[in-house]
Amino acid sequence: SAVISQKPSRDICQRGTSLTIQCQVDSQVTMMFWYRQQPGQSLTLIATANQGSEATYESGFVIDKFPISRPNLTFSTLTVSNMSPEDSSIYLCSVEVPGGRAIGEQFFGPGTRLTVL
Amino acid sequence: GQQLNQSPQSMFIQEGEDVSMNCTSSSIFNTWLWYKQDPGEGPVLLIALYKAGELTSNGRLTAQFGITRKDSFLNISASIPSDVGIYFCAGRQGGTSYGKLTFGQGTILTVHP
Repeated sequence: SAVISQKPSRDICQRGTSLTIQCQVDSQVTMMFWYRQQPGQSLTLIATANQGSEATYESGFVIDKFPISRPNLTFSTLTVSNMSPEDSSIYLCSVEVPGGRAIGEQFFGPGTRLTVL
Repeated sequence: GQQLNQSPQSMFIQEGEDVSMNCTSSSIFNTWLWYKQDPGEGPVLLIALYKAGELTSNGRLTAQFGITRKDSFLNISASIPSDVGIYFCAGRQGGTSYGKLTFGQGTILTVHP
């Protein structure tokens, strides 16, 4: 498995501002992902954070709104830009552990609970 | 896009009872995962399944990967109050979708002491 931390754990932001969420893993991992969980809903993949190249976004999510950085194999950031109340969600990063039977097992961070006023 | 139909949406049971929930899909998945999420926390991986027909246990939890690769179930035996939470199934297709998980809608479990 992997130990994943996220900062901040929660924030309350004003409409029109941006927030950058950090994800730190305790070991090097190839694949990191960012998910959104809207209130009372399931998890939806936003993008795959690729080390050294641009993130791969899922349908309905764009780089201008959710820019992602992945400078190395243990760290990634997700920015929620020009926020509106509809962006109020829990944002979660996850990692897929490389090698062996653990392929396909994704482990999640504790999440960042964002409220936009 | 892909969809996983998870049922039931919620369950209210007495402590000691067994619980069963399942996920079905119109698409084939190469991996099925079951997660539990407590309030204010990220999902925690319970069981991962890799082969059609595979039956795997983790303590009081048992999960199976359906033969058709389009479904999976999770059983919890002799439930206890700390089993309360939201349980999610997730499927992974592999290939060009390597790493991408599709989640079910979740089953909210309440256990009465």
